[in-house]
Amino acid sequence: GAVVSQHPSRVICKSGTSVKIECRSLDFQATTMFWYRQFPKKSLMLMATSNEGSKATYEQGVEKDKFLINHASLTLSTLTVTSAHPEDSSFYICSALGQPYNEQFFGPGTRLTVL
Amino acid sequence: SQQGEEDPQALSIQEGENATMNCSYKTSINNLQWYRQNSGRGLVHLILIRSNEREKHSGRLRVTLDTSKKSSSLLITASRAADTASYFCASPTMRNQGGKLIFGQGTELSVKP
Repeated sequence: GAVVSQHPSRVICKSGTSVKIECRSLDFQATTMFWYRQFPKKSLMLMATSNEGSKATYEQGVEKDKFLINHASLTLSTLTVTSAHPEDSSFYICSALGQPYNEQFFGPGTRLTVL
Repeated sequence: SQQGEEDPQALSIQEGENATMNCSYKTSINNLQWYRQNSGRGLVHLILIRSNEREKHSGRLRVTLDTSKKSSSLLITASRAADTASYFCASPTMRNQGGKLIFGQGTELSVKP
């Protein structure tokens, strides 16, 4: 299957700072990327859907000004957590969907800890 | 909101035993997928079963789908310690909105050597 990478794998930051997480599809062009958030021992919660070249579509209850998503190319989407607070600490996972595949491929996740 | 409910939430078995996990969903689906997640890692796609299929096999995995009961099960036969992970079912949203998936709550499987 295809490979999706995320960077960084883990980040610790101070409250009030902004953190950028990258999601890359390494060997295919991802027309759509998804961002999920996962709390410990919980399921994945879809935050937003990102289509290349257009604005992301956010799920209900997800603040778009808090979680900025950019999908500027067919291989890269970024999630920026602005003015991070301890309650933003979580595991963030991206997935990518694109030809010639019919399934989503998931990145390895980014562990964010806000102090 | 998550439409999938999975049971059990946690399952602990001995190596060699079979593990069965169940998933129920609320709306009509085109397909249902099962994923595996090792602790602190991303998800790995295991198997997809379409709404017109009742059973599907892949190696030691067997998935069933009962659309009348809106439920699916994942059976892992002859389990190994390396099968220890969380397992999630997922299905496309009702209107199949551009690939969006809704995940179940997951089953945490522990296989003891």
